[in-house]
Amino acid sequence: SQQGEEDPQALSIQEGENATMNCSYKTSINNLQWYRQNSGRGLVHLILIRSNEREKHSGRLRVTLDTSKKSSSLLITASRAADTASYFCATDEGYGNKLVFGAGTILRVKS
Amino acid sequence: SAVISQKPSRDICQRGTSLTIQCQVDSQVTMMFWYRQQPGQSLTLIATANQGSEATYESGFVIDKFPISRPNLTFSTLTVSNMSPEDSSIYLCSVEDGIAYEQYFGPGTRLTVT
Repeated sequence: SQQGEEDPQALSIQEGENATMNCSYKTSINNLQWYRQNSGRGLVHLILIRSNEREKHSGRLRVTLDTSKKSSSLLITASRAADTASYFCATDEGYGNKLVFGAGTILRVKS
Repeated sequence: SAVISQKPSRDICQRGTSLTIQCQVDSQVTMMFWYRQQPGQSLTLIATANQGSEATYESGFVIDKFPISRPNLTFSTLTVSNMSPEDSSIYLCSVEDGIAYEQYFGPGTRLTVT
């Protein structure tokens, strides 16, 4: 079953602009993870945020989590052409290690 | 983070045949996971593989179609049996960091069934 729903489905921006992607989920979670996938290759782990955290940063990435709204957002600042990829959120549905993925957002950064 | 490799990276197979995908991790891990990503879709968990026990399959996936082996703490295989074009997907294995709960993925195996 797909837990996370992401929006937008696709996003096209200019290099240097910020990109924001949103993820919503349905059940209680222990943590939420964001991944990047380039051209149908393997997934690159970006960041994990725990249910008791509200915000987390890693380089140009900022992730927020609102458990009351069952939603998360991923902000990429000062985007680069190399950020062009699909981005997925994944939650554990409270079971700890089985991940349920959202539909993903396709990001295109134009140079 | 764990380094995960998969073999083969891609294959084109005839319908009715079987393909075994290997997943190797550079450290010992308790749980390994197998996911499927159909064209243009997100990832779906096929099964969880623990060393020394039968794999646990998710709804919609059965052992006869996707037999899994887990002979030790660094290796697992997934076999896609009696393939049909609907099995054309990317198959990915993953492992969990037992302390941080982060899950890391292999590079995937792109399977095309003709």
